[in-house]
Amino acid sequence: DSGVTQTPKHLITATGQRVTLRCSPRSGDLSVYWYQQSLDQGLQFLIQYYNGEERAKGNILERFSAQQFPDLHSELNLSSLELGDSALYFCASSAGGFSGNTIYFGEGSWLTVV
Amino acid sequence: GENVEQHPSTLSVQEGDSAVIKCTYSDSASNYFPWYKQELGKRPQLIIDIRSNVGEKKDQRIAVTLNKTAKHFSLHITETQPEDSAVYFCAASDYNQGGKLIFGQGTELSVKP
Repeated sequence: DSGVTQTPKHLITATGQRVTLRCSPRSGDLSVYWYQQSLDQGLQFLIQYYNGEERAKGNILERFSAQQFPDLHSELNLSSLELGDSALYFCASSAGGFSGNTIYFGEGSWLTVV
Repeated sequence: GENVEQHPSTLSVQEGDSAVIKCTYSDSASNYFPWYKQELGKRPQLIIDIRSNVGEKKDQRIAVTLNKTAKHFSLHITETQPEDSAVYFCAASDYNQGGKLIFGQGTELSVKP
């Protein structure tokens, strides 16, 4: 158990819909990262928050947005869903917002768009 | 932006043999290089990491080497066991980029008994 909690574990939804994925980082960790892993694909960086503020942005679609709340939990919002958005979405956390901090991954949220 | 290339994409070895996975990175400012192991449907788990001020690091059967000049790093697994079968990802992180990891494409390692 990494200490990073993600909900829901599995989600099936229809095209055009909107979903929210939730992440609670490890106790004390200030950074939250979101990654997308499609079938047979690697881990694509989406976005990072550090202590409530956006720290880095990857190839995140405009239909996707995220935020980190004062209690440090984070949500990833996916809207106007397409079949290609079906993937495993990982949240990860680290103590700081700098290179060299160990990054721990949650168990992921499986999203299936039908 | 940062790019990490990983080879090979698949690797099959006999139990007891060694396995080597290689990665190259593009951003010379990268200074942290972790390796993650991911079993099917599971989360990536850190197995070893190395920082740019170190050339080699070893942890039991696992070792990582770093060549900053050539911008490549490698994972070495000795005396492989069937439970080493998984997908391995290398990653790189740039101090100036907030700590995010950019991952290689992954190597599916299969260890045959």
